[in-house]
Amino acid sequence: DADVTQTPRNRITKTGKRIMLECSQTKGHDRMYWYRQDPGLGLQLIYYSFDVKDINKGEISDGYSVSRQAQAKFSLSLESAIPNQTALYFCATSDGSAGLYNEQFFGPGTRLTVL
Amino acid sequence: GESVGLHLPTLSVQEGDNSIINCAYSNSASDYFIWYKQESGKGPQFIIDIRSNMDKRQGQRVTVLLNKTVKHLSLQIAATQPGDSAVYFCAENFSNSGNTPLVFGKGTRLSVIA
Repeated sequence: DADVTQTPRNRITKTGKRIMLECSQTKGHDRMYWYRQDPGLGLQLIYYSFDVKDINKGEISDGYSVSRQAQAKFSLSLESAIPNQTALYFCATSDGSAGLYNEQFFGPGTRLTVL
Repeated sequence: GESVGLHLPTLSVQEGDNSIINCAYSNSASDYFIWYKQESGKGPQFIIDIRSNMDKRQGQRVTVLLNKTVKHLSLQIAATQPGDSAVYFCAENFSNSGNTPLVFGKGTRLSVIA
């Protein structure tokens, strides 16, 4: 979905390197999310943000940090990348004003490989 | 752990047949459910949703059924086509305020045999 963009789309890095994945959205949504997907598995929530001043840990936040620079931008950092962080990473957004019925819209994903 | 799960991790269906993908949930307080489709190399895309005050909702070639008694959700795809080959995820929102993220199941891979 072009409304949610992620950069880079693919990244190969080495163990110990600091990596930043970026997400931008033009949907005007206040809520943004970062998920990780391993092969054959579902989506695991890393961090989420319900507005610019709000950051919440998800189920697998260890080894990751996030920054909500603006309503439209939410970046994910791996402070010191390790091989088991090799995965697909997805950013998503939703409209908080929708209340309970908050469908999430996903970006195209970033494939990260840590050697 | 997640309350949302799937009965079948893989499903192979002949082109033209109907597909049924199942999902069980354990939180009786869940009020909103969504089915997503994820094609290879792409992010999940919304297919259809249903609120807990409904037991059936239809879209184009898709129907979602909700059985609150047994806490079961299903996605039916009519006249399955090769383009339906993908991984399908169910997701639930069990916050009546909407202030928690969706919880996703592990997914079912649908393979359409031509």
